[in-house]
Amino acid sequence: AQSVSQHNHHVILSEAASLELGCNYSYGGTVNLFWYVQYPGQHLQLLLKYFSGDPLVKGIKGFEAEFIKSKFSFNLRKPSVQWSDTAEYFCAVMRGGSYIPTFGRGTSLIVHP
Amino acid sequence: DTAVSQTPKYLVTQMGNDKSIKCEQNLGHDTMYWYKQDSKKFLKIMFSYNNKELIINETVPNRFSPKSPDKAHLNLHINSLELGDSAVYFCASSQGGEGGTQYFGPGTRLTVL
Repeated sequence: AQSVSQHNHHVILSEAASLELGCNYSYGGTVNLFWYVQYPGQHLQLLLKYFSGDPLVKGIKGFEAEFIKSKFSFNLRKPSVQWSDTAEYFCAVMRGGSYIPTFGRGTSLIVHP
Repeated sequence: DTAVSQTPKYLVTQMGNDKSIKCEQNLGHDTMYWYKQDSKKFLKIMFSYNNKELIINETVPNRFSPKSPDKAHLNLHINSLELGDSAVYFCASSQGGEGGTQYFGPGTRLTVL
């Protein structure tokens, strides 16, 4: 069975700091990769996704992620975080041809103003 | 226009009761899901259903049962509620052509007393 690992469970940053959240998955075949964000008290929303093509994908609110196939990784980055980025971030993987996603445990990001 | 809606938003009930949570999507998607999010924000997929096939996470107790009257609805029925069922339950939908991008509902916070 495939698994998704998010290495950082809790991250605390000051505004304007750079962010990188790690995500690794275990499946070796074709995958679709996602990052979702959950703001306090809200539901999950799509931040960005990778299906194919350019391994560097850009999402909403200045976030980007890079797919490195050799490392089975899909790390999320933002050069300068804002207080409003405080949220839970979930990495998810879906094998090609499947419609069952596997989610990581999530990373709680707190940004201090 | 709400894409994925759930009712009720909050549900407080006693142990042993039976309750249902309703979910509707107006996106025309072919697959719907139920997730459970615990107090640590861990997201667990419970069911997926694409009007032909129901896939059940084997760890889900059989007190939980999904019911789909039509393609746009996937309700969750829970029998004999237990304290450990307290959580936030999210409905989601996806369309095969979008590579499995999940569209989440607003969530139902279930509290079992």
